[in-house]
Amino acid sequence: SAVISQKPSRDICQRGTSLTIQCQVDSQVTMMFWYRQQPGQSLTLIATANQGSEATYESGFVIDKFPISRPNLTFSTLTVSNMSPEDSSIYLCSVEASGGYEQYFGPGTRLTVT
Amino acid sequence: QKEVEQNSGPLSVPEGAIASLNCTYSDRVSQSFFWYRQYSGKSPELIMSIYSNGDKEDGRFTAQLNKASQYVSLLIRDSQPSDSATYLCAVLNDYKLSFGAGTTVTVRA
Repeated sequence: SAVISQKPSRDICQRGTSLTIQCQVDSQVTMMFWYRQQPGQSLTLIATANQGSEATYESGFVIDKFPISRPNLTFSTLTVSNMSPEDSSIYLCSVEASGGYEQYFGPGTRLTVT
Repeated sequence: QKEVEQNSGPLSVPEGAIASLNCTYSDRVSQSFFWYRQYSGKSPELIMSIYSNGDKEDGRFTAQLNKASQYVSLLIRDSQPSDSATYLCAVLNDYKLSFGAGTTVTVRA
């Protein structure tokens, strides 16, 4: 499976500020995904990021709040904008396995908004 | 109706016993199903995938799929304390994964 890294691993931010989370993969992948895991909850898909096209957002998530970039086949960023305490979550990127349907997750970014 | 539902936990089993986890899904056209294990403070780790009706075994893990009943299960045989984690059932539709709420398993030594 691909090796996925995320930066930062954790951060504490003030409300009203923005944080950009980076996701790096050690091989080229077509599809990258961003998920949110709120405290004590399961995973919810935020958006799908394909290289060369606009990200596709799920219901309840908008580009102004969660802008995503996908400049190449190994890298993506997710920005959490104008943060509030409700944005405190773990944010995870995942990639689809080459030639298959399986998805593998990065280590996650634990965000706390005060 | 939730897309993916798992049996409520937590589930406590003695070491060496079989842990049985269940999952149902609502979309009849779903074709791909996965079990992830998530240790506290860690990201989900894929442990099983299953695409066809029947059983699939991998070491101490067995996944079972019944598409007619829209039911997926995971058996953990000879449970070990290291199996203590939250297990997430996931269903793939149009390249997007939908997750159940998870079942927390504790293996008692």
